[in-house]
Amino acid sequence: EAGVTQSPTHLIKTRGQQATLRCSPISGHTSVYWYQQALGLGLQFLLWYDEGEERNRGNFPPRFSGRQFPNYSSELNVNALELEDSALYLCASSLLDRANVLTFGAGSRLTVL
Amino acid sequence: DQQVKQNSPSLSVQEGRISILNCDYTNSMFDYFLWYKKYPAEGPTFLISISSIKDKNEDGRFTVFLNKSAKHLSLHIVPSQPGDSAVYFCAASYGSSNTGKLIFGQGTTLQVKP
Repeated sequence: EAGVTQSPTHLIKTRGQQATLRCSPISGHTSVYWYQQALGLGLQFLLWYDEGEERNRGNFPPRFSGRQFPNYSSELNVNALELEDSALYLCASSLLDRANVLTFGAGSRLTVL
Repeated sequence: DQQVKQNSPSLSVQEGRISILNCDYTNSMFDYFLWYKKYPAEGPTFLISISSIKDKNEDGRFTVFLNKSAKHLSLHIVPSQPGDSAVYFCAASYGSSNTGKLIFGQGTTLQVKP
């Protein structure tokens, strides 16, 4: 069974640009989560999608947005990039009734210059 | 506001000995706690969890202890093996109300020396 897959692995952007990160969940998982791990920090909750709907979002500005597609894959968009957006972005998936047990992808490393 | 804290950035133990990783939390509304393990270039993987109605949960070499009065949990690994070398994150959630949100600590890097 394929795990959670994320693309791209690495992405380099400049300030003010937009970044799009993609995630494919484990087959059968309807919930997708996005977390940010900045250097030296723990994982910070960004967004939760289930059945195509945004269910919850963390304490991040509106320029962080995303969506979930009918096949349950998801993308995270970060607009007007700032230097402090440089981080590892982790996507995870779960069954809706096991929302605490997340299966994570390896992450997308975003570098903003 | 760091609601979940892992105050030890790193820990080094000898193979075969016990590893104890600690985690403190501030929010008494948390009712479900988890530990995740992360190897370099991989995503975190779920290790073990505990509900606030219990004070101990065991899975093979891994045991998690919860002290609600102290708002403290710990992960014991016995015996430690070199393959256990990784970053360990504790996490907390409001398990009974499904917010989809886990609050993670900063992580503790465990090194198990052969």
